[in-house]
Amino acid sequence: GDSVTQMEGPVTLSEEAFLTINCTYTATGYPSLFWYVQYPGEGLQLLLKATKADDKGSNKGFEATYRKETTSFHLEKGSVQVSDSAVYFCALSVPMRAQKLVFGQGTRLTINP
Amino acid sequence: GAVVSQHPSRVICKSGTSVKIECRSLDFQATTMFWYRQFPKQSLMLMATSNEGSKATYEQGVEKDKFLINHASLTLSTLTVTSAHPEDSSFYICSARDSLAGIQETQYFGPGTRLLVL
Repeated sequence: GDSVTQMEGPVTLSEEAFLTINCTYTATGYPSLFWYVQYPGEGLQLLLKATKADDKGSNKGFEATYRKETTSFHLEKGSVQVSDSAVYFCALSVPMRAQKLVFGQGTRLTINP
Repeated sequence: GAVVSQHPSRVICKSGTSVKIECRSLDFQATTMFWYRQFPKQSLMLMATSNEGSKATYEQGVEKDKFLINHASLTLSTLTVTSAHPEDSSFYICSARDSLAGIQETQYFGPGTRLLVL
């Protein structure tokens, strides 16, 4: 079945450090890929998405490129801030499966000043 | 952007009682809404897909008589946890998809409802 595997957390970095959170997926068909962020005490917010191979999603300094050859969608940011502390979820949806989202296990990120 | 609200945000109830959670799309119509459950420090697990005007579609292993879903309008879906027990304590999250958007439309998530059953 469809699945998403994320880099295990928690991840702790200093402010202005470079961030990578790995995400790989397994899916039949042609999935869309997403990164969602959950700030403390809040619901999930869409951070970025990519709908086809080689697409790059970007938002708030975060980027992720849809790599079909490696079935990956790694999240990167060049210089993290304390306000980026949150839980990050990688997810996929397959159009032929009623757009259901399949989530990875989440990665908790803490940025220290 | 699109906003989804949930009510209540937090509820504490006694074992054996029923609890209703509302999910509303505030500025768009949603023929489809989704209900998720999230255990502490774990990912979201899809429980069911709520379809306006028809029966919900439940994921394998989810008891439909335990978790009643009603999607009576284009902006409201409700999840009722019937005869709640302590093991039902969890964080319940809904999401909604804009009916007028394209096939690759985004799901918008509510802030979640934390249920504690004593």
